Amino acid sequence: EVVLTQSPGTLSLSPGERATLSCRASQSVDTHLAWYQHKPGQAPRLLIYGASSRATAIPDRFSGSGSGTDFTLTISRLEPVDFAVYYCQHYATTWTFGQGTKVEIK
Amino acid sequence: EMLLVESGGAVVQPGGSLRISCAASGFTFDDYTMHWVRQSPGKGLEWVSLITWDGGSTSYADSMKGRFTISRDNSKNSLYLQMNSLRIEDTALYYCAKDNVGYGMDVWGQGTTVTVSS
Repeated sequence: EVVLTQSPGTLSLSPGERATLSCRASQSVDTHLAWYQHKPGQAPRLLIYGASSRATAIPDRFSGSGSGTDFTLTISRLEPVDFAVYYCQHYATTWTFGQGTKVEIK
Repeated sequence: EMLLVESGGAVVQPGGSLRISCAASGFTFDDYTMHWVRQSPGKGLEWVSLITWDGGSTSYADSMKGRFTISRDNSKNSLYLQMNSLRIEDTALYYCAKDNVGYGMDVWGQGTTVTVSS
């Protein structure tokens, strides 16, 4: 089973700053990786699939990169609505999530 | 608009059973694989199970195998999760989600709460 490890656990930043979130897989997952945003009381939202493709209606300040075992989600300039928890996910015959990174207002 | 609405969450005693449901609308339900994902209090997202478009193939997370059964009724645009031998650690908000044609999950419901407590 693939284990996904996200870092850091919490990222404290100010609006307008750049956020860089990491996801590391215990074995190669090629580009079978997605990123989600999750806010309290709301459904999770798909941001990125295939490691680097933006989902429908996702702003271009969100970008994903990586392949194999190391992946990055970058938010180029944080807006107030971007403060949330972010999860990476591997998809194959079974599916796993990382433990999440909380992006909080500094 | 594509919508998923979960229902059936309840308070159940340890060892009990419960079936939760998810009603889909706004898309051709029987074209897509569907998933259940849960979030326990204070924890992250955990994938539970998936079922292919025709119900012909299912898959489960290891901790749910043998206790949970996913099913669907395409004539009713509905997804189900039968949960047996419930444990306190199964307490969670359960989401249903639509598969993005093998690339993640692109539509999610708001969730239904299952509480396992004596």
